[in-house]
Amino acid sequence: EAGVTQFPSHSVIEKGQTVTLRCDPISGHDNLYWYRRVMGKEIKFLLHFVKESKQDESGMPNNRFLAERTGGTYSTLKVQPAELEDSGVYFCASSQDFASLLKDTQYFGPGTRLTVL
Amino acid sequence: DAKTTQPPSMDCAEGRAANLPCNHSTISGNEYVYWYRQIHSQGPQYIIHGLKNNETNEMASLIITEDRKSSTLILPHATLRDTAVYYCIVSLAFNDYKLSFGAGTTVTVRA
Repeated sequence: EAGVTQFPSHSVIEKGQTVTLRCDPISGHDNLYWYRRVMGKEIKFLLHFVKESKQDESGMPNNRFLAERTGGTYSTLKVQPAELEDSGVYFCASSQDFASLLKDTQYFGPGTRLTVL
Repeated sequence: DAKTTQPPSMDCAEGRAANLPCNHSTISGNEYVYWYRQIHSQGPQYIIHGLKNNETNEMASLIITEDRKSSTLILPHATLRDTAVYYCIVSLAFNDYKLSFGAGTTVTVRA
């Protein structure tokens, strides 16, 4: 079974540019999460999708960040325009559902390392 | 809003058991203890979780004290590949999907 995949693995852009990160969750997982670790800080929750609906986007830092999950499959996270403080590693995770204690484990992708110059 | 306290770092000899402590004195009755780890340049990896009973799987064992205010993750035979940052997280299994990663414990397994 394929795990959570993220693309690209690295992205280097200049301040003011736009970047789109993609996450493909494990097949069949309804829940998709975005987290990020900015330099020197802890991993922080950004938002949570249940299928195509945003369940909680309380962790999104500002309106320069836009997440979508059309069709309830893969998700994109767009940063527009990017700022220096957006540099860090962006992780995506997925979980199956909340109906079973065994199924709500979050499985993480390898992350996308974003560098804004 | 840290709910857990872990030592910042620890060393372990290869082949020996690694015992990672975690304090969670304010844990509520319906909160679980989760352990994740992050190996360098990879995403966090789920290890194990428990409510009040001790748990064991193919990766590790989780020992939770009777008062549930602390727990210990045990890696029975540490290998060099177990070198990672280990996170102890307290979370509701349902309706509390946000994982709050603290600073974790940096575990270095030495040959």
